[in-house]
Parts: sequence; C-alpha cells; structure tokens
Amino acid sequence: ETGVTQTPRHLVMGMTNKKSLKCEQHLGHNAMYWYKQSAKKPLELMFVYNFKEQTENNSVPSRFSPECPNSSHLFLHLHTLQPEDSALYLCASSQDLRLTVGTGYTFGSGTRLTVV
Amino acid sequence: DAKTTQPPSMDCAEGRAANLPCNHSTISGNEYVYWYRQIHSQGPQYIIHGLKNNETNEMASLIITEDRKSSTLILPHATLRDTAVYYCIVLNTGTASKLTFGTGTRLQVTL
Repeated sequence: ETGVTQTPRHLVMGMTNKKSLKCEQHLGHNAMYWYKQSAKKPLELMFVYNFKEQTENNSVPSRFSPECPNSSHLFLHLHTLQPEDSALYLCASSQDLRLTVGTGYTFGSGTRLTVV
Repeated sequence: DAKTTQPPSMDCAEGRAANLPCNHSTISGNEYVYWYRQIHSQGPQYIIHGLKNNETNEMASLIITEDRKSSTLILPHATLRDTAVYYCIVLNTGTASKLTFGTGTRLQVTL
C-alpha cells in the first residue's frame, strides 16, 4: 500500500462514454497531481492542485476534466475520449508544491485506461 | 531544474551490484538529486535522494561526485524484482518545482 489509492485499476470505455478516475490519499499531503503515461513515452504531467485549487493545466484537452473536492481526493472525469487517450493514468501527492526535502511525490498504482 | 542524462538500458546479473549512472552537469547548488524507479505498469517509487554527500538507505546507495555533475545509484545485490526503469531527477525543493520524468534507464536483472 503506497498511501495513494487509485480506482479503478483497469477501465475500458467507448468513445461516447463518460467515466471518472478516482484518487485518494491519507498522507496529509496538500498537493495532488495527475500524470499520463502513454506506451513507450515518459510520464507527462497533466494537472497540479494545491490546497484544492488548480495551479497548473499543461494544455490538456477539455475532454479531461479534473476535480479536487478536498485535499485528500482527486478525480479525473473523462468524456468523448479518443483511442489515442489510452494510457496509464497516475495520481501523485506531495506535502506541498515546494517539495520539502523528503520523498518528493508518492504515487498511486495507476489506472490502465483503454478507449475502444 | 537541471536536465539529466542516463543510458537507455543496462543489464545486471542477479546478486551482483547494479551501478546506474546519471549526468547532471548543469546542476545548481540548491538542487537535489532524486532517484525513482517504475516497475512495469506501476506508479513510480521513491528510492533515495541527496544533495552533495553520499547517501544510503535500505534500498540503495547514492554516490554524488565532488563537483556534483554526476551521480551513481547503486543497488548492492540486484534481484529479479529490481528489474524496472530508473529515473534520475534533479529538483530544487525550495521552489514550486514539479517532478519531471525523462526516459530513464531500463535495468534488466537476469539469472
């Protein structure tokens, strides 16, 4: 158990579906992140939240809609995705944005998304 | 944050030490060297970090050169479970730095 829990672990969805990915941490961290990892590519940072407020959106298409209702939970709402959006979606958290010296980020195990 | 250069892949026999190099020639004085690894289809896992002194924990040792322009992660007795992609990342922890991953080194531990 890494301290960051992501559900579901696997998700298959059609291009017209709407689904949500969930991330939960009980580490007392204030910053949370969504990353995307496509096949044979490095991890790409998608969104950054700090104290529930979005501080960064790295030009992510609007078909990905994040939500952070509190510092412990982060969602990624998905709608009208494309097959090229199939990837491993990873959530991470950190104490704060300044990464006070320590382990940096704690990652979840990810959601493997397949868009058909 | 300073960029890093790592070899794309390495092999290591089980039970032997795995030495993974990283070049970070543009590192500045307040930047730390962090190492993470990612086992296939899982989230990255923190291994170790350091500023200028060598560091050791239960997972690995980190050797940083005196000029801080390069470092080596050492897994003293590699096992098959250590097969993963290893990422060397330089971070300024005092500012709003974000963890940015490159392509890392794919370590294959073999029997």
